[in-house]
Amino acid sequence: DAGVTQSPTHLIKTRGQQVTLRCSPKSGHDTVSWYQQALGQGPQFIFQYYEEEERQRGNFPDRFSGHQFPNYSSELNVNALLLGDSALYLCASSDGPVNSPLHFGNGTRLTVT
Amino acid sequence: QKEVEQDPGPLSVPEGAIVSLNCTYSNSAFQYFMWYRQYSRKGPELLMYTYSSGNKEDGRFTAQVDKSSKYISLFIRDSQPSDSATYLCAMSVRGATNKLIFGTGTLLAVQP
Repeated sequence: DAGVTQSPTHLIKTRGQQVTLRCSPKSGHDTVSWYQQALGQGPQFIFQYYEEEERQRGNFPDRFSGHQFPNYSSELNVNALLLGDSALYLCASSDGPVNSPLHFGNGTRLTVT
Repeated sequence: QKEVEQDPGPLSVPEGAIVSLNCTYSNSAFQYFMWYRQYSRKGPELLMYTYSSGNKEDGRFTAQVDKSSKYISLFIRDSQPSDSATYLCAMSVRGATNKLIFGTGTLLAVQP
């Protein structure tokens, strides 16, 4: 049973650059959520995608955007990278947008220099 | 004040001990409560998922929710070195169950 897979595992970018992170949901799941986890902190909700639309959004600026494809996979894009964007970016999937537990991938570690 | 408060630890216990992990919260609208385990360099792994108040048991793990006190707990019986990890509590409101609010996590070390 394939769990949530994310790529790449690690990434180093320079301030001001743009980055794209990718996620494939767990088999049978159709909803994808993205979280940012700073060192020593709990994950923070960025946004959720269901039926190829952004359904909910956390307190993140418009530099953070996403996309969901017909096969339910998803991308997270971050523009104009700041040093403070350095974090572990986690993708989580669920069976439907509500009342279903989230299953997380192992994340992409982004370092902005 | 944060919506969810969790003692960051670290917590160190001997193998076989009973571990108690706790979170408090301020938003009375929270109805879904979860515990995740996160090993170093890995993503959070779902341990327990409960709705509203009460207890739920799964093997060596028991989750308790007391909505009147806005307090949730996770008990680990017969703790093992393999339980050494960061434990994250998370919660959400009805209708926005993908928007989890996490605690900061408690780092647990079980000494053999």
